[in-house]
Amino acid sequence: GIQVEQSPPDLILQEGANSTLRCNFSDSVNNLQWFHQNPWGQLINLFYIPSGTKQNGRLSATTVATERYSLLYISSSQTTDSGVYFCAAHNDMRFGAGTRLTVKP
Amino acid sequence: DAGVTQSPTHLIKTRGQQVTLRCSPKSGHDTVSWYQQALGQGPQFIFQYYEEEERQRGNFPDRFSGHQFPNYSSELNVNALLLGDSALYLCASSLAGGATNEQFFGPGTRLTVL
Repeated sequence: GIQVEQSPPDLILQEGANSTLRCNFSDSVNNLQWFHQNPWGQLINLFYIPSGTKQNGRLSATTVATERYSLLYISSSQTTDSGVYFCAAHNDMRFGAGTRLTVKP
Repeated sequence: DAGVTQSPTHLIKTRGQQVTLRCSPKSGHDTVSWYQQALGQGPQFIFQYYEEEERQRGNFPDRFSGHQFPNYSSELNVNALLLGDSALYLCASSLAGGATNEQFFGPGTRLTVL
């Protein structure tokens, strides 16, 4: 099955900094989503983005399907952005291992 | 617009017991998927139900079974519980044949097996 790899595994930022999270996948996908998991375990939808670029406030995402990767950009980070970010690919939603983001005040 | 709901929130069982977890999909959705998330890992796909049938299955033993009801709600059953079954169980819903395959997740059920 499809393999999904996320990098970096951990990221520590100062409030106000920008960051880029990467998701590589081993085969073509027809479904790719980015999620933020809060401390209580709830997975919050950020983007549904099998291809192209989308923006929502300080967050944006780009998927280059032909090169099998997706990027999540967080600008002007805030402490509330802390948590684990997951990408998930394909119809059976193969998740990566996540990137744990810590934003320090 | 009701989101995905799951019950119970927490559950404690002992080895060898059986457990049933419940999920109600987001309003308008007809497909339910179940995931297991062990501590520190990403969610792992268990199976997906559509039209009351198991449509896809991940790499989980037959101890894990499910059901979908005519109102699209779903149950996950785990028999002969093992310590390794301790995890957060997540339910997601989506709309088959919709414009996208976007999945929306419930808050999860945290299962502890002692």
